[in-house]
This record gives sequence, structure tokens and C-alpha cells, in this order.
Amino acid sequence: GESVGLHLPTLSVQEGDNSIINCAYSNSASDYFIWYKQESGKGPQFIIDIRSNMDKRQGQRVTVLLNKTVKHLSLQIAATQPGDSAVYFCAPGGQGGKLIFGQGTELSVKP
Amino acid sequence: GAGVSQSPRYKVAKRGQDVALRCDPISGHVSLFWYQQALGQGPEFLTYFQNEAQLDKSGLPSDRFFAERPEGSVSTLKIQRTQQEDSAVYLCASSLTGDNSPLHFGNGTRLTVT
Repeated sequence: GESVGLHLPTLSVQEGDNSIINCAYSNSASDYFIWYKQESGKGPQFIIDIRSNMDKRQGQRVTVLLNKTVKHLSLQIAATQPGDSAVYFCAPGGQGGKLIFGQGTELSVKP
Repeated sequence: GAGVSQSPRYKVAKRGQDVALRCDPISGHVSLFWYQQALGQGPEFLTYFQNEAQLDKSGLPSDRFFAERPEGSVSTLKIQRTQQEDSAVYLCASSLTGDNSPLHFGNGTRLTVT
């Protein structure tokens, strides 16, 4: 079955630094990918998405890179702030819009 | 506008009791999804609906789990004869169209079975 792996379960960065969270996926047929942020006690919150016909997409302070050749995604957060502390999930889309989540990466921002 | 709303926010049930968890999706969203999230893990897919039709229930862990969306809007996830291993956060999400459309999640119902 499909799996999603994240390269690091935890990531600690200094406030103001850039953060990079990586994600590997297994299903080469996936054509839609979403990054979510989940804070304690809340549901996952949409950050940014990318379709397989793109290799880069930018949002506000965030950039997602997609490398379909090696089935790898990354989320870059510029000038990381304490409010960015959360668990981050990448989720490849599946049939009918179903998303497959990995374990997540916990980002801690040190002031 | 209003997001996905789930109730109750917390539910404590004695082992063997039945529970019903409610989800109010974003108005106009065609697809509705249920996920289960254990502590420290990512959400795991349970089932999804397109309007009132349940198109995929492959993630439901046993026949004690049942979901419905009779009018294509509000959905209820029912768990019969709850067991301790059912303790988790149950997340509901809706999306406008389904395929290649972001899911918008509610804040979940935390179920604790004692």
C-alpha cells in the first residue's frame, strides 16, 4: 500500500532561521500534494498544495518543492517564527480526494 | 465563513457503550471524510462520502464503526460497543469537489474509552 515517510520526526530551529521539512512518498501515480500544519488540540490546517505538473510553488513565507523523479517533497518556511511551532504533515492525494498522511515532523522554534 | 464543526469536542464512554460523533461540513462541500488520529500519529483514513453516497469505507477498523450522511450534508460516525483501542481523536474534513481539492478539517472529537 501507499506510504508516506518523513525524514526527521523532530526539527528544532532558531527564530528567524529558515526551516526545511522533507517528505518522501511511494505512489508514483499521486498527482496532488498538500502540506498541513497541526497545532496541539486542533485539526490539520491547510498550508499549501502543489500539483504534479509543477515543481515549485510559493505562498506567504512558504515554498513547496516537488521532485517526482525521486518522489520527494519539501516545505521551506522562511524566517521561522514561534507561531510556526507545530507538527507538519505532507499528504499525497489519492482516489476520490482521499489523503494519506505520514507520521509528521514536529517543528520547534527556539526564541 | 464557518469552517467544519464537530461535536462533541470531548467524549468519555465506558467500554461497551455506543457513541455518535457529529460533523457539520462547510456549506456546499460535496465530499466529506472521516479520519482517526492516535496520539503522536498522523490521521488515518476511515471513510468518505460524495454527497450522500459512501464511496469508500475501506479504513473502518471493524463492523462496529458505521458512518452516514443521509442528506449529503451533516454526517455522523457511530461506534458501537466501544473498546479501549477506539480511544483517539476523530477528525472530519470536507472538500469542495473531492479530487485535487484541499481537505478542510474540523478540530476533532477526542474519544476516551474507559
